[in-house]
Amino acid sequence: GENVEQHPSTLSVQEGDSAVIKCTYSDSASNYFPWYKQELGKGPQLIIDIRSNVGEKKDQRIAVTLNKTAKHFSLHITETQPEDSAVYFCAASTSDYKLSFGAGTTVTVRA
Amino acid sequence: DVKVTQSSRYLVKRTGEKVFLECVQDMDHENMFWYRQDPGLGLRLIYFSYDVKMKEKGDIPEGYSVSREKKERFSLILESASTNQTSMYLCASSYDRGTEAFFGQGTRLTVV
Repeated sequence: GENVEQHPSTLSVQEGDSAVIKCTYSDSASNYFPWYKQELGKGPQLIIDIRSNVGEKKDQRIAVTLNKTAKHFSLHITETQPEDSAVYFCAASTSDYKLSFGAGTTVTVRA
Repeated sequence: DVKVTQSSRYLVKRTGEKVFLECVQDMDHENMFWYRQDPGLGLRLIYFSYDVKMKEKGDIPEGYSVSREKKERFSLILESASTNQTSMYLCASSYDRGTEAFFGQGTRLTVV
């Protein structure tokens, strides 16, 4: 089955700096790569996703890049703000119903 | 707004009890999922269902079963709870394959 590895497990950044989280996947058939943000006491919520026919996608301060050859994808958050503090999960999916998640990255934005 | 509602935020059960975790979604989604979330392990899929009365095993189905009698409701059953099933349980639903999964707020289950 699919194996998704996520790094780093924790990330502390100064407010206004950028944050980058990286994930690798094992199944070359994976074609859908969402990123979820989980705030304290809540369920994960989708923040951005990318499909295998696209190399990069942006939405305001967040962007995701995908390198299919190397089987890795990354989340970039620019101009970080205190409300960006949360746990972030990457995931990968083939054409079936299952999402395989990474272990998560706890991001702390220091004021 | 899509809403996925889990019946309990916190549950404490005794070893050996039969435990039911209920999940309801209000957006007519075809697919529903049960995940378990543990620190350092991310979210692991227990079971999923792509249609009423259909179910498929996920990555960690041992010790669990599920029921989907109606499209909007997906139940996770622990036949005989054990302490290693203490965890956060998350229900999710999605419209189709490769589409956004919407999560409930989670149920923190403690088995003593």
